[in-house]
Amino acid sequence: SYELTQPPSVSVSPGQTARITCSGDALPKQYAYWYQQKPGQAPVLVIYKDSERPSGIPERFSGSSSGTTVTLTISGVQAEDEADYYCQSADSSGTYPEGVFGGGTKLTVL
Amino acid sequence: QVQLVQSGAEVKKPGASVKVSCKASGYTFTSYYMHWVRQAPGQGLEWMGIINPSGGSTSYAQKFQGRVTMTRDTSTSTVYMELSSLRSEDTAVYYCARDVRYYDSSGYSSFAFDIWGQGTMVTVSS
Repeated sequence: SYELTQPPSVSVSPGQTARITCSGDALPKQYAYWYQQKPGQAPVLVIYKDSERPSGIPERFSGSSSGTTVTLTISGVQAEDEADYYCQSADSSGTYPEGVFGGGTKLTVL
Repeated sequence: QVQLVQSGAEVKKPGASVKVSCKASGYTFTSYYMHWVRQAPGQGLEWMGIINPSGGSTSYAQKFQGRVTMTRDTSTSTVYMELSSLRSEDTAVYYCARDVRYYDSSGYSSFAFDIWGQGTMVTVSS
């Protein structure tokens, strides 16, 4: 089955830039999406179509894509950005696309 | 405002079934597909399947084929997810999430989840 691979953890100091990667063989052909999840809360969509930002999401969140890797970048990290981040795409190898999530990356703000 | 409100926590014994509801409001219920996603304690997100609230058609992740049933009631704008033959590994928070579609330049579509329910904790324990 199709897999998306993320680093388990990333740590940065406040004000620095955090980069979280997600790798998958189908990413050159499929859009990727990013979600932020804080403890005890439901996930929130922060990036769609690789690099677009939904309304209400701060400008410090951005996304990019290169080959089989997509990257979520958080510029000027704030303490409130500490959370788990998940990438998501789809496995289209079957009759109907199935949703696929990366394993998640815990962002720690030092 | 657009929101999804799920039913309360459940405790079930191994082998039993559980049915979780998700009531939509603030938008046209039949215009958006709905997904179910679960998250075991301390683990990541896992996609379970999708239902079209308009016609009721469904598609399930291979892992859950034969054990999961998704239905809907258009009169109450509610979708349901029933999981049978429960085992301890099914202990998780179950989320409903509204589908949002995006299209690339060739017309190929992909989906994401723009609105999520608050989650329903299902505990399977003897």
